[in-house]
Amino acid sequence: GESVGLHLPTLSVQEGDNSIINCAYSNSASDYFIWYKQESGKGPQFIIDIRSNMDKRQGQRVTVLLNKTVKHLSLQIAATQPGDSAVYFCAETVTSYDKVIFGPGTSLSVIP
Amino acid sequence: AAGVIQSPRHLIKEKRETATLKCYPIPRHDTVYWYQQGPGQDPQFLISFYEKMQSDKGSIPDRFSAQQFSDYHSELNMSSLELGDSALYFCASSFRDYSYEQYFGPGTRLTVT
Repeated sequence: GESVGLHLPTLSVQEGDNSIINCAYSNSASDYFIWYKQESGKGPQFIIDIRSNMDKRQGQRVTVLLNKTVKHLSLQIAATQPGDSAVYFCAETVTSYDKVIFGPGTSLSVIP
Repeated sequence: AAGVIQSPRHLIKEKRETATLKCYPIPRHDTVYWYQQGPGQDPQFLISFYEKMQSDKGSIPDRFSAQQFSDYHSELNMSSLELGDSALYFCASSFRDYSYEQYFGPGTRLTVT
């Protein structure tokens, strides 16, 4: 079935550096992609999203890039802070009311 | 701002017992989703409801059932619990025709012993 997967299970970065988390997806019908942040013992928290008709979207310190040609999604975090330490999931959905399909998470550790 | 409320936050049950998890969506949200997250795993979709009707079904065991009530809150009923049912159960809600974004609750941690 369709799935979303991540290239790296863990990532350690120095505080202040930029972080890049990558993700591959397989369902070309997906129209909407989301990055979630999950801290220990908490529910997934929406970070940023992107529609399939876009290739880049920026938020506050975060940027999501979408490459539909190779079915690749990435999350860039600028000036990574200790509070960014968490597990990050990329996810996809086909329609506005469809279930979210999560990929395996990447654990981001920020070294002070 | 109001968020998704789940209760209880923690639940300990023995094998073969039953459990009921509750979810209260954000006011005016009309769609509720249930996800199960095993230890170290990504959340897996179980079931969803739109306007009190089941709208989609995922990998939900036959031992589980769910419904959405007239006030839009939802309950996930789990029977004949197994050790493998130990997981975090998340509820998410959305306003279906307005936004893709699903807002997740804090989850219920179910431990089956």
